[in-house]
Amino acid sequence: EPEVTQTPSHQVTQMGQEVILRCVPISNHLYFYWYRQILGQKVEFLVSFYNNEISEKSEIFDDQFSVERPDGSNFTLKIRSTKLEDSAMYFCASSEDILMPASSYNSPLHFGNGTRLTVT
Amino acid sequence: GENVEQHPSTLSVQEGDSAVIKCTYSDSASNYFPWYKQELGKGPQLIIDIRSNVGEKKDQRIAVTLNKTAKHFSLHITETQPEDSAVYFCAASMVFGAGTILRVKS
Repeated sequence: EPEVTQTPSHQVTQMGQEVILRCVPISNHLYFYWYRQILGQKVEFLVSFYNNEISEKSEIFDDQFSVERPDGSNFTLKIRSTKLEDSAMYFCASSEDILMPASSYNSPLHFGNGTRLTVT
Repeated sequence: GENVEQHPSTLSVQEGDSAVIKCTYSDSASNYFPWYKQELGKGPQLIIDIRSNVGEKKDQRIAVTLNKTAKHFSLHITETQPEDSAVYFCAASMVFGAGTILRVKS
C-alpha cells in the first residue's frame, strides 16, 4: 500500500536555527498538509496546500513557517529561527481530495510517521 | 473556526468489553468525520469515517454514529482486544479532538 514518508525521523537543532522537514506524499494525491503534535497533546492542524499554494492555515502557522513543493514529489515545511516551543512531532499528510468543512469531496488523510523535532 | 471536543481523555476497559468515545463539534458546515488510531511512534491511521448524509456506519467491531442536529458523533468498539490499546482521535474535517488513550486490560 502506498504511504507517506517523512525524513528525518528525528531532528535536533539549536534555538534560532532554521530547519527543513521533508515529506514525500502519496504519488496520486493532490492535497498536502502539515500537523504538529506536542508531546502527549492533540494533533494540531498547521497548513493545507494545493496547486502550489496554501489553501488554509491555522493561527499557529505564522511568518516563522513556510511550505514548499520544490519538485514533483517532495513537500517541505521550513521553520525559521526555531524556538524551544517548536519542539514537537511534525506530521505530513496527503489526501486525494480537499479536506475542508462544507466540501462535498472530503477524503481521509494519510499520515507519515512524523519527524520528531527537538530544539535545544 | 471549527472546535472539536473529545471525551474521555483516558479509558480503561477489560478485554471483551465495549469502549465508547464521544466527540462534539461546533461548525454546522462540517460534513466529514473521520476517526484515527495512533500507535506509539506512528502517525494517525484512519480506522473509520462517516459523512453527514449517514447516521451510522459499521466495520466489523467498530461503529460510528453521527447526530448532526446535536453536532456530536461517537466511536464504538465492541469485543475489545489488547491490540486496540492506542490513542484515538476524532476529527471534523481536518480539525482533531484532543485524543483518548484507550487501554484494554487482559
